[in-house]
Amino acid sequence: AQSVTQLGSHVSVSEGALVLLRCNYSSSVPPYLFWYVQYPNQGLQLLLKYTTGATLVKGINGFEAEFKKSETSFHLTKPSAHMSDAAEYFCAVTADISNFGNEKLTFGTGTRLTIIP
Amino acid sequence: EAGVTQFPSHSVIEKGQTVTLRCDPISGHDNLYWYRRVMGKEIKFLLHFVKESKQDESGMPNNRFLAERTGGTYSTLKVQPAELEDSGVYFCASSQLTVSYNSPLHFGNGTRLTVT
Repeated sequence: AQSVTQLGSHVSVSEGALVLLRCNYSSSVPPYLFWYVQYPNQGLQLLLKYTTGATLVKGINGFEAEFKKSETSFHLTKPSAHMSDAAEYFCAVTADISNFGNEKLTFGTGTRLTIIP
Repeated sequence: EAGVTQFPSHSVIEKGQTVTLRCDPISGHDNLYWYRRVMGKEIKFLLHFVKESKQDESGMPNNRFLAERTGGTYSTLKVQPAELEDSGVYFCASSQLTVSYNSPLHFGNGTRLTVT
């Protein structure tokens, strides 16, 4: 079974400051890891994902995340926050590999990011 | 291309009533998933269709929930009778059938269900 812990249900950063959203996971098998973003009144949108290979993953809108197996972490960062980054962010994990590309994801509880002008 | 569409966007019903949520996946997407987020908690997997077949329904809370996907196109999720704890946002997602994770999961905007 897998689980995801997102530290901090609310994070506020100033515009232009570093964004760091924390995610720790638990998985008995090598995980596939994801970050999704939900803007107000919209569905979830994939920011980035780690499957295999390079542990530093770059996503859309300048976000990136690093898979650290020893720390069981997959923290999301962005060097300089923009007002448009205000949203809720979800970390997710799956180890459920099937021939169908099953994305049966286990999500964290989400982190709401507020950008201070 | 049109995205994943969910109807209705909001639904308010009384305890004991029936509600049917609908999801239209992206055309050509054989994988269809239902997820639910109860207020302030994590988004939880409910079930997974591959075409018209239920591949995994391990997340369905109880037998008051019935999901169908006739013809392998749109899907419905019926709650009968609804209880207070069923309130939350129900998300539908779809993806192409693939043996790898190169096909991204596309989410709908969700249906916010409130049971009073």
